[in-house]
Amino acid sequence: LAKTTQPISMDSYEGQEVNITCSHNNIATNDYITWYQQFPSQGPRFIIQGYKTKVTNEVASLFIPADRKSSTLSLPRVSLSDTAVYYCLVGSGAGSYQLTFGKGTKLSVIP
Amino acid sequence: GAGVSQSPSNKVTEKGKDVELRCDPISGHTALYWYRQRLGQGLEFLIYFQGNSAPDKSGLPSDRFSAERTGESVSTLTIQRTQQEDSAVYLCASSLRGLANTEAFFGQGTRLTVV
Repeated sequence: LAKTTQPISMDSYEGQEVNITCSHNNIATNDYITWYQQFPSQGPRFIIQGYKTKVTNEVASLFIPADRKSSTLSLPRVSLSDTAVYYCLVGSGAGSYQLTFGKGTKLSVIP
Repeated sequence: GAGVSQSPSNKVTEKGKDVELRCDPISGHTALYWYRQRLGQGLEFLIYFQGNSAPDKSGLPSDRFSAERTGESVSTLTIQRTQQEDSAVYLCASSLRGLANTEAFFGQGTRLTVV
């Protein structure tokens, strides 16, 4: 599985757009990029997934450059309730495929 | 059920006792994962079940840890002779096929405290 690197923490004010970048230099051709969000005392929750270019849903956008060696999760106009840990995962396949979580990025939204 | 259900939500046990944690996955989900999350840390993979295939036990930290799953239903994680370092939140997740491009759904976890 491709290893991922993301900032340990980020701070943002309410109403701002937040961009969290994840590096995955050895991503394989078949790998997907997936982001999960975890609130305190809860299990992680799927946010968004992509393979290339841009993906947008009601929660976030995911930008993936052509070389796919990094990806950026964009959260528009964050609120206090967006304070959470955000995990970037990269992987492919089935069978013994594992969801491998790194340390994630702790986002703190400030009033 | 509507989501992944774990029980108990909290468990306090004495050092040396055995504990059993339960996970009810979403109906129809063939893949089931167990993770351990210590306070302030990331998720540590423990074991993975996919249908009737042999489970991937590569993440189990010691032979005190074991897990079972009957078919594509309930799974139990057993920790024997608990130690204080076993204190953590144990999370269970399920997904439709265990593929990288399928969403995994997590339960609320079982908070285990060994005293």
